[in-house]
Amino acid sequence: GAVVSQHPSWVICKSGTSVKIECRSLDFQATTMFWYRQFPKQSLMLMATSNEGSKATYEQGVEKDKFLINHASLTLSTLTVTSAHPEDSSFYICSARPTGTPKATEAFFGQGTRLTVV
Amino acid sequence: SQQGEEDPQALSIQEGENATMNCSYKTSINNLQWYRQNSGRGLVHLILIRSNEREKHSGRLRVTLDTSKKSSSLLITASRAADTASYFCATVRSEASKIIFGSGTRLSIRP
Repeated sequence: GAVVSQHPSWVICKSGTSVKIECRSLDFQATTMFWYRQFPKQSLMLMATSNEGSKATYEQGVEKDKFLINHASLTLSTLTVTSAHPEDSSFYICSARPTGTPKATEAFFGQGTRLTVV
Repeated sequence: SQQGEEDPQALSIQEGENATMNCSYKTSINNLQWYRQNSGRGLVHLILIRSNEREKHSGRLRVTLDTSKKSSSLLITASRAADTASYFCATVRSEASKIIFGSGTRLSIRP
């Protein structure tokens, strides 16, 4: 089946630094990838839709200058949390929908990245 | 933003019993999907049901969809300890490709 690899699986960083999270589709191309954030015991909240070769589309309330998304190729999207603060500590999950798939079919999810800002 | 709510928020049952989780959503959809998430891990896709379908089966899973009530249910039969996880419904709206998740149900199976 389709595999989405997310790296790193966990990261601890100091407050004020930036952290980059990678999301790769290993055996398929993905024009569209999605980034979610999940706080403990809560659901996944969509942050942004990443589109290959164009700007990401951010959900309401998500700061685009803080959460930088780059989708430079059909197999890689990156999320950079800039000037991280403790309140950014969360579980970040990406998903990717294979190119050419109708909107109706499933997307495939990475294993998530647990970010802890100290 | 979230599409809808799931109930119950938490469910604890004895191994071997059936578990039923419900999902309600707000807008028209193209399809509804159910996912499982083990604690602190990624998501596993369980089943997808399209808006023109009413019921779907996959192994011990049975999903129903009532578009008139904007609701879906997930039934897990003959539960096992390994079914302990959080379960989320997710919808794809007719006019957009975003996958929006419900609030989730935490299922615990007692041995």
